[in-house]
Amino acid sequence: DIQMIQSPSSVSASVGDRVTITCRASQDITTWLAWYQQKPGKAPKLLIYTVSNLRSGVPSRFSGSGFGTDFTLTISNLQPEDSATYYCQQANSFPLTFGGGTKVEIK
Amino acid sequence: QVQLVQSGAEVKKPGASVKVSCKASGYIFTGYYLHWVRQAPGQGLEWMGWINPKSGGTQFAQRFQDRVAMTSDTSINTAYMELSRLRSDDTAVYYCARDPEYQILYKWFDPWGQGTLVTVSS
Repeated sequence: DIQMIQSPSSVSASVGDRVTITCRASQDITTWLAWYQQKPGKAPKLLIYTVSNLRSGVPSRFSGSGFGTDFTLTISNLQPEDSATYYCQQANSFPLTFGGGTKVEIK
Repeated sequence: QVQLVQSGAEVKKPGASVKVSCKASGYIFTGYYLHWVRQAPGQGLEWMGWINPKSGGTQFAQRFQDRVAMTSDTSINTAYMELSRLRSDDTAVYYCARDPEYQILYKWFDPWGQGTLVTVSS
């Protein structure tokens, strides 16, 4: 199985800050990576797919980059509504696997 | 709009089975793969498998292979996930989620159902 390691596990930042979350795959997944946002008590929502493609309706302050084994989710100009847990997910091979999550808190 | 509505919370005893439903609306049910993902309390996300509602074809994560069944009823646009021989560590929120592309298994999840809490306790 492909292991997905996210870091940090949590981050606290102020409104307007830039937040960067990294995700490392245990083997090459080329561009088969997605990011999800989950708020407490709610289902996850797709933010980004194929590394950098923004799902329709997702604010442009969210961006993704990377290739192979190392990937990044960046939230520019952090907003209060971005307080959530973020998960990466590999879609290269079965079983599909997720990172452990990164909790983003607003100071 | 595309919507997945799941059945309500369940409480089961160890060794029992649970069947969770996922009713789809707003799109062609037979045109999209459906996945099941679970999340134990305070934990991360775990993919369980997918079903092709048109063909009935399925694929499961190996750890669930001998305990899970995924079916669909195209007459009522509803998919089902049944997990048997429940254990306490099966306590989790179970989500259905659609693969976003028509007739293609892209293996992303969008959108998701609201989740169904299954509690396994004696």
